[in-house]
Amino acid sequence: DAGVIQSPRHEVTEMGQEVTLRCKPISGHDYLFWYRQTMMRGLELLIYFNNNVPIDDSGMPEDRFSAKMPNASFSTLKIQPSEPRDSAVYFCASSLAATGELFFGEGSRLTVL
Amino acid sequence: AQSVSQHNHHVILSEAASLELGCNYSYGGTVNLFWYVQYPGQHLQLLLKYFSGDPLVKGIKGFEAEFIKSKFSFNLRKPSVQWSDTAEYFCAVNGDSWGKLQFGAGTQVVVTP
Repeated sequence: DAGVIQSPRHEVTEMGQEVTLRCKPISGHDYLFWYRQTMMRGLELLIYFNNNVPIDDSGMPEDRFSAKMPNASFSTLKIQPSEPRDSAVYFCASSLAATGELFFGEGSRLTVL
Repeated sequence: AQSVSQHNHHVILSEAASLELGCNYSYGGTVNLFWYVQYPGQHLQLLLKYFSGDPLVKGIKGFEAEFIKSKFSFNLRKPSVQWSDTAEYFCAVNGDSWGKLQFGAGTQVVVTP
């Protein structure tokens, strides 16, 4: 298995632009998580899905952030409009309910100028 | 709600020294416990995990951790560290919300040659 695949690996954009981050979980995993990591705040859980259904989005910073999971093999995290304080590394992770062990993607490093 | 506390934010030690990182959690029920490692510029990877059974768990790269239920602790140890162990280490707990892992703030470990 190729593991959790995220794209893009790096994105540099200007304030106000829309950003879409993509994630392909490990096949067969039924949980998908979006995390954000910054020096100041560490690793923060933004939202997670179970069987494509959002379960807890309490970590989503504000309405500018949205996440979807249209099917078991794809999820997006969208920021519109983006702001400089959104600059961070965004990690996607997936897991099987039976184990609870998370498998992380390589991350998407976002820089908003 | 569950929470995870890692006692040290930064640890600096020399090669061949022994390492012990503290992790305590607050949750009264059954828990699954994890240690993840993040090497510089990389994503989080699983070091070891505890679900049940022998409370002394052995992981990859010579790491081990001991679950002490009475102390709500899951400390990570390595008898002799190498320069390549320089990384950030995260303790995580899965308890009150199945599938949702609660991460500690992380401990940055620097091993000097």
